[in-house]
Amino acid sequence: DVKVTQSSRYLVKRTGEKVFLECVQDMDHENMFWYRQDPGLGLRLIYFSYDVKMKEKGDIPEGYSVSREKKERFSLILESASTNQTSMYLCASSTQLAGGADTQYFGPGTRLTVL
Amino acid sequence: AQKITQTQPGMFVQEKEAVTLDCTYDTSDPSYGLFWYKQPSSGEMIFLIYQGSYDQQNATEGRYSLNFQKARKSANLVISASQLGDSAMYFCAMRDVNSGYSTLTFGKGTMLLVSP
Repeated sequence: DVKVTQSSRYLVKRTGEKVFLECVQDMDHENMFWYRQDPGLGLRLIYFSYDVKMKEKGDIPEGYSVSREKKERFSLILESASTNQTSMYLCASSTQLAGGADTQYFGPGTRLTVL
Repeated sequence: AQKITQTQPGMFVQEKEAVTLDCTYDTSDPSYGLFWYKQPSSGEMIFLIYQGSYDQQNATEGRYSLNFQKARKSANLVISASQLGDSAMYFCAMRDVNSGYSTLTFGKGTMLLVSP
């Protein structure tokens, strides 16, 4: 079974703090993704990575950065957390095969509150 | 730009009944994929079922089936014999080719409540 883990289920930070959200997958997937989920807005893609040290902006990258130093690990960084970044953050991974085999598998999510 | 629409914010169904969750999509790509995910209150997104645009038959996975109507651009999820554990948010998503890489665009979701 694919296993995607995230470092924290719940996190509370203060405005202006630097925040690291960590994601690890154990299936040797090439692709990894970070989403945020807000009520009424569904999931929105922040950043994704298709290989080590490679990254691409998603739909809402402003205020975020990412790091992928190892294939299994993808970090989301909030350089200076703001209250409007209070949200549920979901990490996912997938292979690069098409035809349905690139199904994304998700971690349990991190609920971040910025005070 | 691709778009996914889920028009039902919430659905109620009694246990053991079937329920259909609607999803329509908009794309100009001839090749695409459609996914359904379940998100229980715990928060984790669970993959349910996949339908490719060239698949000849509707996808099925246990109690889940996908009613794929290509001409109408709809990909409705059918859950047969609902169970209490089916109460969750359900998201429809479409594969998008973003700068040559495969990403997903999600709908806003439908909350399903199954009553005894």
